[in-house]
Amino acid sequence: GNSVTQMEGPVTLSEEAFLTINCTYTATGYPSLFWYVQYPGEGLQLLLKATKADDKGSNKGFEATYRKETTSFHLEKGSVQVSDSAVYFCALGKENSGGSNYKLTFGKGTLLTVNP
Amino acid sequence: KAGVTQTPRYLIKTRGQQVTLSCSPISGHRSVSWYQQTPGQGLQFLFEYFSETQRNKGNFPGRFSGRQFSNSRSEMNVSTLELGDSALYLCASSSTPSRTGGYGYTFGSGTRLTVV
Repeated sequence: GNSVTQMEGPVTLSEEAFLTINCTYTATGYPSLFWYVQYPGEGLQLLLKATKADDKGSNKGFEATYRKETTSFHLEKGSVQVSDSAVYFCALGKENSGGSNYKLTFGKGTLLTVNP
Repeated sequence: KAGVTQTPRYLIKTRGQQVTLSCSPISGHRSVSWYQQTPGQGLQFLFEYFSETQRNKGNFPGRFSGRQFSNSRSEMNVSTLELGDSALYLCASSSTPSRTGGYGYTFGSGTRLTVV
């Protein structure tokens, strides 16, 4: 079945540091890949997405590139801010072989804390 | 446009009771999915509805059920509540998933259910 593995947290960084959160996936075919962010007490917000190999998703300074050869979708940001403190989830989305029953499979989440 | 609305935001129930949670998707979205989020298991897929039909179901006991109405609003019901059902229940809506990779979901803020 489909699965997502992301690096265990928590990750603690100082403001303006470089961020990488690793994510690898297992799936047949060509899933779509997503990063979601969850701020304390809130639901999930879509941060960025990529729907095919070599696509780069980007938003708010965050980037991730869909690497089919390494089955990875690592999240990066060049200079984090205190306001980036949140839990980040990597996810893949795919239909079943019949083209229906689309669902998201999530990683366990990585807690990021950015200190001033 | 309005986002995904989940009601209520917080709920406290007693073991053995039943509960109904509501989700109103983004206008025009016909697919509604439900996820359970717990610290131990992370985000787990419950079920998906599209045009009033359940299209996919996760690995949850029959105590968990749902339905979708003609206006795409969805409800999920949990009967005979157990302590382990305490979780954040998230609803997500999307436009029709594409066979070529699908689209990212828009999540609501969730309903925090506490079973005592």
